Amino acid sequence: EPEVTQTPSHQVTQMGQEVILRCVPISNHLYFYWYRQILGQKVEFLVSFYNNEISEKSEIFDDQFSVERPDGSNFTLKIRSTKLEDSAMYFCASSEAAGGGTQYFGPGTRLLVL
Amino acid sequence: RKEVEQDPGPFNVPEGATVAFNCTYSNSASQSFFWYRQDCRKEPKLLMSVYSSGNEDGRFTAQLNRASQYISLLIRDSKLSDSATYLCVVSTSGTYKYIFGTGTRLKVLA
Repeated sequence: EPEVTQTPSHQVTQMGQEVILRCVPISNHLYFYWYRQILGQKVEFLVSFYNNEISEKSEIFDDQFSVERPDGSNFTLKIRSTKLEDSAMYFCASSEAAGGGTQYFGPGTRLLVL
Repeated sequence: RKEVEQDPGPFNVPEGATVAFNCTYSNSASQSFFWYRQDCRKEPKLLMSVYSSGNEDGRFTAQLNRASQYISLLIRDSKLSDSATYLCVVSTSGTYKYIFGTGTRLKVLA
């Protein structure tokens, strides 16, 4: 069964450093997403991406965040200058269709900012 | 009012019990509804979509009441492996994002 994959599974970084989280969406999917989940809290939407551009973003997704699809398979989330409060689990998801299309989630990257 | 609201639980039930979870959503323009399951420190996994007429998948039954903006999930004959957090998810037409509830934690006891 096709699945979304993410690397790394864990990332520890110092405050102020840049991190890049990587995702490989399901191959025939066209819509890609990043969500985050702070420990003990709900899953929160960050950004959606379609046709090589951001289609929607939340208030959390400020100027320190960026997304890119550098090639035909990878989808990345870059955090430019990490803060302590960026510590969370980051989930990538993909779907065939927009809006009500079912989103399939990757296993997540646990980011710890020290 | 929270966009998607769930009782956090935990619900502790014996094996074989029937348990029901409820969820309310605030945006009447919401169009798509899902139940996801999340195990500890894992990703959300789709349990089932929720359709207007209600739908069943084995031991799981989902219901939607648009007038009351209310979604439910019923689990019959609970198994130990059903222990997890159940996430109510809502999506609105014209947007791409999922809005998650905080989840309801279920523990099925032997």
